[in-house]
Amino acid sequence: AQSVAQPEDQVNVAEGNPLTVKCTYSVSGNPYLFWYVQYPNRGLQFLLKYITGDNLVKGSYGFEAEFNKSQTSFHLKKPSALVSDSALYFCAVRFSGGGADGLTFGKGTHLIIQP
Amino acid sequence: GAVVSQHPSWVICKSGTSVKIECRSLDFQATTMFWYRQFPKQSLMLMATSNEGSKATYEQGVEKDKFLINHASLTLSTLTVTSAHPEDSSFYICSARDGKKETQYFGPGTRLLVL
Repeated sequence: AQSVAQPEDQVNVAEGNPLTVKCTYSVSGNPYLFWYVQYPNRGLQFLLKYITGDNLVKGSYGFEAEFNKSQTSFHLKKPSALVSDSALYFCAVRFSGGGADGLTFGKGTHLIIQP
Repeated sequence: GAVVSQHPSWVICKSGTSVKIECRSLDFQATTMFWYRQFPKQSLMLMATSNEGSKATYEQGVEKDKFLINHASLTLSTLTVTSAHPEDSSFYICSARDGKKETQYFGPGTRLLVL
């Protein structure tokens, strides 16, 4: 079975400071990893993904994430936070072993950027 | 690109009635779509995988006779909540998988309130 852990319910960062939202995963085989952002009463917006290749992936709105196989982590990062980055962030994983399985999501992390 | 729409965005219905929710991929073809359910302040839970031209695959614990899924074309999947009850009230989100990009794109969600 595959699972995703987001250990922090909430992360508070001052505007302009770097931010990190943590994610660890458990999956059989090679993982496909994703980050999505959700604004209130809205669906999810795709930020970035890791499928294969470079461990550091860059995505929308200046976000990036680093795939670390040994630590089974895929932390989301941004060098300089904006107030508009405040939202709910979900990490998700699926097994790359074929088929069309849906994503398994973490519980989400509220990111709050303080002016 | 990669836009997924849902209709309606919200619906209020009486207990015992049926509600149909549409999910469309607007600028790509999706042989596979997914239906998720999100309770307040919780993560997304996969309900079922909708396959174009074949029966949907339901996750354990999801009643297939209650949540009817039809994937009529490469751009349209529908979820019908039959004989709705107040406990079915939730936020229903669909996604469409762009196989070329190995990415799921999410609709804006449908908020269902059953009175």
